[in-house]
Amino acid sequence: DADVTQTPRNRITKTGKRIMLECSQTKGHDRMYWYRQDPGLGLRLIYYSFDVKDINKGEISDGYSVSRQAQAKFSLSLESAIPNQTALYFCATSDTRRVSGELFFGEGSRLTVL
Amino acid sequence: AQTVTQSQPEMSVQEAETVTLSCTYDTSESDYYLFWYKQPPSRQMILVIRQEAYKQQNATENRFSVNFQKAAKSFSLKISDSQLGDAAMYFCAYRRDQGAQKLVFGQGTRLTINP
Repeated sequence: DADVTQTPRNRITKTGKRIMLECSQTKGHDRMYWYRQDPGLGLRLIYYSFDVKDINKGEISDGYSVSRQAQAKFSLSLESAIPNQTALYFCATSDTRRVSGELFFGEGSRLTVL
Repeated sequence: AQTVTQSQPEMSVQEAETVTLSCTYDTSESDYYLFWYKQPPSRQMILVIRQEAYKQQNATENRFSVNFQKAAKSFSLKISDSQLGDAAMYFCAYRRDQGAQKLVFGQGTRLTINP
């Protein structure tokens, strides 16, 4: 089983719909992140959380919100989806105790907004 | 703000040959970490190799090695004896040592292996 699990893996929705992408982890890491991948742009940070009470905006947070329900759960919401939010979304975790701080990723959620 | 640039959108190499992927970054920090991630068609992001800026020695992981040039702010990835399974998108990433430990990614390089 994957250590970082994202649901759904693929989703097609319509403009204006509310969408939630969920992420759960069994790695025991304290830090969780949401990134968005677009062709030619790499991965860009949407939101990150260093613990349940700590939520921070990344470089492209407009149009998104997040909730850290527990140390192991971090969800991303699109309140009113628009076509330019069509992308591959990744949840990732890291461990404060690891000096290098590398990220461990889920398998991605591909979202298409029509 | 830190930026990471991968100037080669696509690269190709013959199986068993060696290929080098380029990455440059911009930072005013002296302590930081650099990473290469691989994304095969399965789309899973897999850590290939990491380098600590305070280490002069280049990191090596089996067939993968880096050429870290701190003064030039360059961090290239060399893949030796290329295999079909190396075909993937490769992302270079930077993380500062202090403060918010977020990774900043480059645009990616798509590597094709020709049999």
